[in-house]
Amino acid sequence: NAGVTQTPKFQVLKTGQSMTLQCAQDMNHNSMYWYRQDPGMGLRLIYYSASEGTTDKGEVPNGYNVSRLNKREFSLRLESAAPSQTSVYFCASSEPTWSGGGTGELFFGEGSRLTVL
Amino acid sequence: AQTVTQSQPEMSVQEAETVTLSCTYDTSENNYYLFWYKQPPSRQMILVIRQEAYKQQNATENRFSVNFQKAAKSFSLKISDSQLGDTAMYFCAFTLNDMRFGAGTRLTVKP
Repeated sequence: NAGVTQTPKFQVLKTGQSMTLQCAQDMNHNSMYWYRQDPGMGLRLIYYSASEGTTDKGEVPNGYNVSRLNKREFSLRLESAAPSQTSVYFCASSEPTWSGGGTGELFFGEGSRLTVL
Repeated sequence: AQTVTQSQPEMSVQEAETVTLSCTYDTSENNYYLFWYKQPPSRQMILVIRQEAYKQQNATENRFSVNFQKAAKSFSLKISDSQLGDTAMYFCAFTLNDMRFGAGTRLTVKP
């Protein structure tokens, strides 16, 4: 019962370095999401992919890029990390309500704590 | 874009008592879904309850129930018989195409 798996769980970067957060789900969900969580601000949507082959910006997309590699995998890339990107990142997947039978419920990974020095 | 507002950053309740967490949202759409998620210190996100906007009946899951007021765009969560294990961050969320979350309410259940 893997569900949503994201790696790495912890990462420390220096300003200007790049990295990719990986996410995979085994529930055959159409939609996948990347959120960041900062104290007092809840979860803010960075990017999402409603279905394989599509990606859309969320609330805070600047400084990030995503790739929906296939139906299972959705990666998040920081090209030039900045201290403002220090956060906990969550990947999630869902079967959307428009897919006929989907509940829209998000299933989350365990989170990745990223620190940019 | 839809927005979700939780106006209570922190709340506390005595064990076995009842507490209500508030949530309002803004949308011009008619059919959508609302959720409450719980995040304990483990950081895991756990679904508490779900409400379809086209259903007038309020959703209930054991000790958890909602008061859904569609015209007022309000979606509050009531926790009855509070338990120590209910201590967590609670997030209200709205979904249409993507899912947007409120800033959260930190609930502490006191023994």
